[in-house]
Amino acid sequence: AQSVTQLGSHVSVSEGALVLLRCNYSSSVPPYLFWYVQYPNQGLQLLLKYTSAATLVKGINGFEAEFKKSETSFHLTKPSAHMSDAAEYFCAVSEGDKIIFGKGTRLHILP
Amino acid sequence: DGGITQSPKYLFRKEGQNVTLSCEQNLNHDAMYWYRQDPGQGLRLIYYSQIVNDFQKGDIAEGYSVSREKKESFPLTVTSAQKNPTAFYLCASTPGRGASPLHFGNGTRLTVT
Repeated sequence: AQSVTQLGSHVSVSEGALVLLRCNYSSSVPPYLFWYVQYPNQGLQLLLKYTSAATLVKGINGFEAEFKKSETSFHLTKPSAHMSDAAEYFCAVSEGDKIIFGKGTRLHILP
Repeated sequence: DGGITQSPKYLFRKEGQNVTLSCEQNLNHDAMYWYRQDPGQGLRLIYYSQIVNDFQKGDIAEGYSVSREKKESFPLTVTSAQKNPTAFYLCASTPGRGASPLHFGNGTRLTVT
């Protein structure tokens, strides 16, 4: 069965600094991969998805993620953090009819 | 605008009572899902349905039941058999399988005392 590991349940970065949120998946076959963002007491919104068309995927709000098969990773980055980026971020992988989520990383932005 | 509506946003029940959470979508999506979210646990799949009148158990189905009588609706019943029902419940839908991302409702926070 597929699994997703997000390293770090909390990450803090200064406003303007690089954001790096880590995600590793378990499949030996390149899966479909997703990053979602969740603001307090809301549902999840799709940031970006990888579907094998390109290894570097650009998403909304300046985020991007790079698929690295050799490392089974799909890390999320943003060059310059904004206060509005403070939220919880989830990496997810498809498994047949199901989508499996990681445990999430809460991003804190320091002024 | 198309979307997923979950109601109510907050729900309070006494222990031992069954409670039904509503999920309606007007996106014409075939597949619908219920997830449970607890702090530090991520989202865990309860039930999902790929087509009307058919549904499958997810990873934590015990103590829950669902129905899919209409394409637009996928209600979740939290029964008295669910040992720890207090959680944030999220409904989602997708037009198909694999590469199709999930569209989420805004969730229902259930508190059982």
